[in-house]
Amino acid sequence: AQTVTQSQPEMSVQEAETVTLSCTYDTSESDYYLFWYKQPPSRQMILVIRQEAYKQQNATENRFSVNFQKAAKSFSLKISDSQLGDAAMYFCAYRSANRDDKIIFGKGTRLHILP
Amino acid sequence: KAGVTQTPRYLIKTRGQQVTLSCSPISGHRSVSWYQQTPGQGLQFLFEYFSETQRNKGNFPGRFSGRQFSNSRSEMNVSTLELGDSALYLCASSLLGGQGTEAFFGQGTRLTVV
Repeated sequence: AQTVTQSQPEMSVQEAETVTLSCTYDTSESDYYLFWYKQPPSRQMILVIRQEAYKQQNATENRFSVNFQKAAKSFSLKISDSQLGDAAMYFCAYRSANRDDKIIFGKGTRLHILP
Repeated sequence: KAGVTQTPRYLIKTRGQQVTLSCSPISGHRSVSWYQQTPGQGLQFLFEYFSETQRNKGNFPGRFSGRQFSNSRSEMNVSTLELGDSALYLCASSLLGGQGTEAFFGQGTRLTVV
């Protein structure tokens, strides 16, 4: 069974600084997708960034980028120029590339932005 | 384009009662999944429906059930409520489901069982 592990329950970063959230996963599949979701106090899960396992190039979305290390089964999220609006719970997630629609989430990392 | 709509937003029920939660997916989306979120267990998959058929089910007791209608709207039912069922229930819709298609989440229904 696939698992997703986020080892940092909480993190803090100064506004405008850069922070990296860690995520490791375990799977025997070769084809899958990885995601980072953000859940602000409003509770709505918002997709931050997505990575296809078959792509070697790391995904980037504006201030958000990932470091995808397939062999190490590592998928970290880097947030550059942190803003107060980035404060939220961040979830790393895995989804198989087959018809199974289940998303497997990590326990989350609560990110605090210090003004 | 309207997002995923979940109703109600908040619900308080008594132990032993049953509850029905509703989820309206994004127009055109045929896959609807349900997740339970608790502080202790995190986000756990309940089930997924696609074209009115349950395609996948998580490890939850039979008290948890769901269905999907022809317009893709989905309902989730929990019977004989227990205190441990108190959680945020999230619904996610995607165009086809699977194969990494993006899942869009609703704001959830906060269920409190007293």
